[in-house]
Amino acid sequence: DQQVKQNSPSLSVQEGRISILNCDYTNSMFDYFLWYKKYPAEGPTFLISISSIKDKNEDGRFTVFLNKSAKHLSLHIVPSQPGDSAVYFCAAETSGTSYGKLTFGQGTILTVHP
Amino acid sequence: KAGVTQTPRYLIKTRGQQVTLSCSPISGHRSVSWYQQTPGQGLQFLFEYFSETQRNKGNFPGRFSGRQFSNSRSEMNVSTLELGDSALYLCASSFDRAAYGYTFGSGTRLTVV
Repeated sequence: DQQVKQNSPSLSVQEGRISILNCDYTNSMFDYFLWYKKYPAEGPTFLISISSIKDKNEDGRFTVFLNKSAKHLSLHIVPSQPGDSAVYFCAAETSGTSYGKLTFGQGTILTVHP
Repeated sequence: KAGVTQTPRYLIKTRGQQVTLSCSPISGHRSVSWYQQTPGQGLQFLFEYFSETQRNKGNFPGRFSGRQFSNSRSEMNVSTLELGDSALYLCASSFDRAAYGYTFGSGTRLTVV
């Protein structure tokens, strides 16, 4: 049972345009969501997070949107840069009962073309 | 500020052997979580330790175990290695939970032959 899903295995965008990565979840108990970027043979690097009490969080070029009723979150990268090319994972936690346990999506490979 | 340090970076073991991986968290972080990444299963949670106590455990067989020391450093052990245990093993440290952020180490690449 995959509780966090990233249905797009890959996404290709042009430099300077917007990248939108999507993530759906099924567990309504998740109350904290995170996005990570990962290069091969390295650990994930934290990008941005959002609590379930918010619907939007911004940090520079990165914005995360949370739609609790649809159990959907998205990561917007504007403008996209070639250095953003990596695998992006969304992750979720139920802080009240599952401290320390992140449930990850399968990842989306983002390629930004110059 | 030093990051999360995992040792060794690479390891090759034979089926049936056991292996111990080490993780040193960021100073002040009391939570250490372990994950297994494989191409087929993605990133899967193994277990989490907080102040030397296991708070959470994922769906892995008992061959996978871990512990945390008083200085928050953690080790995970895999006994009776199987070919399917070949993976990138990642640890993440946090002050407590997601709201405080999880920082990952670079991982240990385990190859079982």
